[in-house]
Amino acid sequence: NAGVTQTPKFRILKIGQSMTLQCTQDMNHNYMYWYRQDPGMGLKLIYYSVGAGITDKGEVPNGYNVSRSTTEDFPLRLELAAPSQTSVYFCASSYVTSGVGEQFFGPGTRLTVL
Amino acid sequence: QQQVKQSPQSLIVQKGGISIINCAYENTAFDYFPWYQQFPGKGPALLIAIRPDVSEKKEGRFTISFNKSAKQFSLHIMDSQPGDSATYFCAAIPTGGGNKLTFGTGTQLKVEL
Repeated sequence: NAGVTQTPKFRILKIGQSMTLQCTQDMNHNYMYWYRQDPGMGLKLIYYSVGAGITDKGEVPNGYNVSRSTTEDFPLRLELAAPSQTSVYFCASSYVTSGVGEQFFGPGTRLTVL
Repeated sequence: QQQVKQSPQSLIVQKGGISIINCAYENTAFDYFPWYQQFPGKGPALLIAIRPDVSEKKEGRFTISFNKSAKQFSLHIMDSQPGDSATYFCAAIPTGGGNKLTFGTGTQLKVEL
C-alpha cells in the first residue's frame, strides 16, 4: 500500500493564479481531511469529507474548495492564490465506524505564493 | 481560538534524559487525545493516544499522563535518544466531533549526545 500520496511536493504560484493539490489514498478509508501547517501554529483543518459526495468546512476554509467524487481522491482547489495561503498542506485519511479512527497523513505539499 | 495549548515551544534534552511536553485544553469536551510525531519534510504520524477514562498510558519509552480535572495531559519520553529529535504535536478530538483533530502548536525536541 502506498498510503496517502500527495502531488505536487512543491509549487510556487503567483498571486491570483489557481491550482489543485491532489490527494489519493489506497486504504479504502471513508474519511479524508485537508490541513495547513504554518510555522509555530500547528495544523489547522481546512475541509474534510466523511465519504464520497460529502464534504464540510473545517476551521480555515476561506479561499479553498474541495470535492470528493470517489473514495480514493480528495483534491483541494485554490482559486485565487494569495500570499496568506503560503503554507505546507497535508492530506490525511482515516477509517471511522463509530467514535474515532487514526488519521494517516501524506508527505505534504509546500506551496509558496509570491 | 486556540483550544489546545502546548508547551514548551522547543526543548533540548541530553541523551538518556526524560523529555516532557505539556498540553492543556479548555472550553470543549474532548474524548480522545493523540500525540503525533513529525520529522522534517514528513507528515505527522500517530505516536500514542489516550482516552479520558484512563490516567496513564505507556507504550515502550513513551507515556501519556492525563489529568481530567485539570484538563491537562502530557507526553513523557524516557531514555530520550537522538532519533527522537522531531516535532511533537498534542491533539484532541471533541465529543461527537466527527474525528476532527484540534492540534496544539507543536514542540521541537532536540536530543543531544
